[in-house]
Amino acid sequence: DVKVTQSSRYLVKRTGEKVFLECVQDMDHENMFWYRQDPGLGLRLIYFSYDVKMKEKGDIPEGYSVSREKKERFSLILESASTNQTSMYLCASIATGIPYNEQFFGPGTRLTVL
Amino acid sequence: AQSVAQPEDQVKVAEGNPLTVKCTYSVSGNPYLFWYVQYPNRGLQFLLKYITGDNLVKGSYGFEAEFNKSQTSFHLKKPSALVSDSALYFCAVRDKRDSNYQLIWGAGTKLIIKP
Repeated sequence: DVKVTQSSRYLVKRTGEKVFLECVQDMDHENMFWYRQDPGLGLRLIYFSYDVKMKEKGDIPEGYSVSREKKERFSLILESASTNQTSMYLCASIATGIPYNEQFFGPGTRLTVL
Repeated sequence: AQSVAQPEDQVKVAEGNPLTVKCTYSVSGNPYLFWYVQYPNRGLQFLLKYITGDNLVKGSYGFEAEFNKSQTSFHLKKPSALVSDSALYFCAVRDKRDSNYQLIWGAGTKLIIKP
């Protein structure tokens, strides 16, 4: 089974702190994604990566950056956390090559910024 | 703009009754269609997908979905609901021309099954 893990299930940070959210997948997937999930808004794509050191902005990249130094690991960074970044953050990965493959998700990190 | 609509924020069904969670989309071509489920405090789990062929697709946990090309819909169904089906359901669509495997997501529908 594909496993996608995220470093924390719950995280509480203060405004202005630098926050790192880590995601690791164990199936050698090429593409990885970071989403935030807010009630009534569904999933919104923050960033995705299609290869090591490669990244693309999603729909809401402002206030976030990402890092992919190794194929299995994709990190989301909040350079200076703000209260409007309080949300559930979901990481996903997918194997490319078959266009109708499904994305596999981690359990999520619920981040609260005070 | 491409979009996915789940017109109901919430659906309530009595246990044992059939359920339907609606999804319509506005994506060009013949996209791939997906349903995911999120149980409380969990990540998303894949339920089923439509690729091509038979309009009725069967998936996990007894769920199925019906693709209707003329109505651009992909409604999720189950003949007999269980209390354990209570969760948040997301419809998602992939444009076949997208080379990055991105999904366009609906806002989600909360399904409540009453005992």
